[in-house]
Amino acid sequence: EVQLVESGGGLVQPGRSLRLSCTTSGFRFGDYSMSWVRQAPGKGLEWVAFIEPYGGTTEYAASVKGRFTISRDDSKSIAYLQMNSLKMEDTGLYYCSRGRQLLPWGQGTLVTVSS
Amino acid sequence: DVVMTQSPLSLPVTLGQPASISCSSSQSLVHSDGNIYLNWFQQRPGQSPRRLITKISNRDSGVPDRFSGSGSGTDFTLKISRVEAEDVGVYYCMQGTHWPLTFGGGTKVEIK
Repeated sequence: EVQLVESGGGLVQPGRSLRLSCTTSGFRFGDYSMSWVRQAPGKGLEWVAFIEPYGGTTEYAASVKGRFTISRDDSKSIAYLQMNSLKMEDTGLYYCSRGRQLLPWGQGTLVTVSS
Repeated sequence: DVVMTQSPLSLPVTLGQPASISCSSSQSLVHSDGNIYLNWFQQRPGQSPRRLITKISNRDSGVPDRFSGSGSGTDFTLKISRVEAEDVGVYYCMQGTHWPLTFGGGTKVEIK
């Protein structure tokens, strides 16, 4: 069974950093691209970042470009989202998902940016 | 960016009756590989999103056949043939063709 488990969320002050992890199992991680999608409280879905397999291309939403970095460790089957210079508007539930077409999704990890 | 516009915002439905959600894109979703990457997701209350349909009309494994997708060009539709109580939630369309990937604003399906 394919499983994605996010971790690393928490309460952080504006301007600080946080690193999210997406630990996967049940499939050949190295063969798949990975995505991060977020959802602000009570709002819709916003795609955040994408990374191809084999250390390939990355893509970012304009709202996070230059502040967030997506990466992967194929030896551990983990995808990461390094979030720097956090803003209050980055608050939300962060999901990881497999592929560009987003199947399946993890349960999410909550990031709260507040002073 | 490709803007995805969904309607209606809210959809009250009687159990057993059909439901239909529309989604339009601001530009063609034809990928260079010839596919049209239009996906539909369901988010039940308190749960993570779940993909229902990919490439306009291909149901994912385990998705009941009362869900169907159709469309062409820039106009797409998700239909539920007979709404059940477990179908309550928010439905999103999403285009996976162009960067950045973009979602519609969501349609909330509720039981009358």
